[in-house]
Amino acid sequence: DARVTQTPRDKVTEMGQEVTMRCQPILGHNTVFWYRQTMMQGLELLAYFRNRAPLDDSGMPKDRFSAEMPDATLATLKIQPSEPRDSAVYFCASGSQGLAGGPSYNEQFFGPGTRLTVL
Amino acid sequence: KQEVTQIPAALSVPEGENLVLNCSFTDSAIYNLQWFRQDPGKGLTSLLLIQSSQREQTSGRLNASLDKSSGRSTLYIAASQPGDSATYLCAVSYQGAQKLVFGQGTRLTINP
Repeated sequence: DARVTQTPRDKVTEMGQEVTMRCQPILGHNTVFWYRQTMMQGLELLAYFRNRAPLDDSGMPKDRFSAEMPDATLATLKIQPSEPRDSAVYFCASGSQGLAGGPSYNEQFFGPGTRLTVL
Repeated sequence: KQEVTQIPAALSVPEGENLVLNCSFTDSAIYNLQWFRQDPGKGLTSLLLIQSSQREQTSGRLNASLDKSSGRSTLYIAASQPGDSATYLCAVSYQGAQKLVFGQGTRLTINP
């Protein structure tokens, strides 16, 4: 049963601390997305990668957020320093865009999310 | 600006009823449209994906339609069950950009 996994599931930290969230995309998928969900803003894209290359990070505050894919099985989202307004649920999703396929072409599959609370 | 709107924001119906959830989008140059389900405190589960060239997709009791010209999609749920209670999200991706633009969701409650 192929799934996107995310760690940690919950993180409580104090303002100013560094936070690192990790995502393991579905094996064989070549795109990875990071979304943030809040009550006020709903779901917003932060960054996405195709074949490990960053394609769009326009939704991410550049001064404190960074996203990387060290290899095809790991994506990371880092916040340094964290602030209370960063409190949200962060979702990772993966897909197989750009690859020949059937009805699932370009479909995105989401992980369970990391619930971040910054005090 | 590309926006996705879902109406109503919340819906409560008795078990067994057929129901329709609505999604509208401002830019008709979509690549595809995806419907998700989100249970409280959980991630998103993909329900149906409709490519821009398609008019509808079906999965079990779910049927999603797409009308690009009017900028609308509907999710039809037949014979609703209490287990269908969740928030349903519509998301659109556009030509040239693979990111999903989400609506705010419809919170559905099916009463036994």
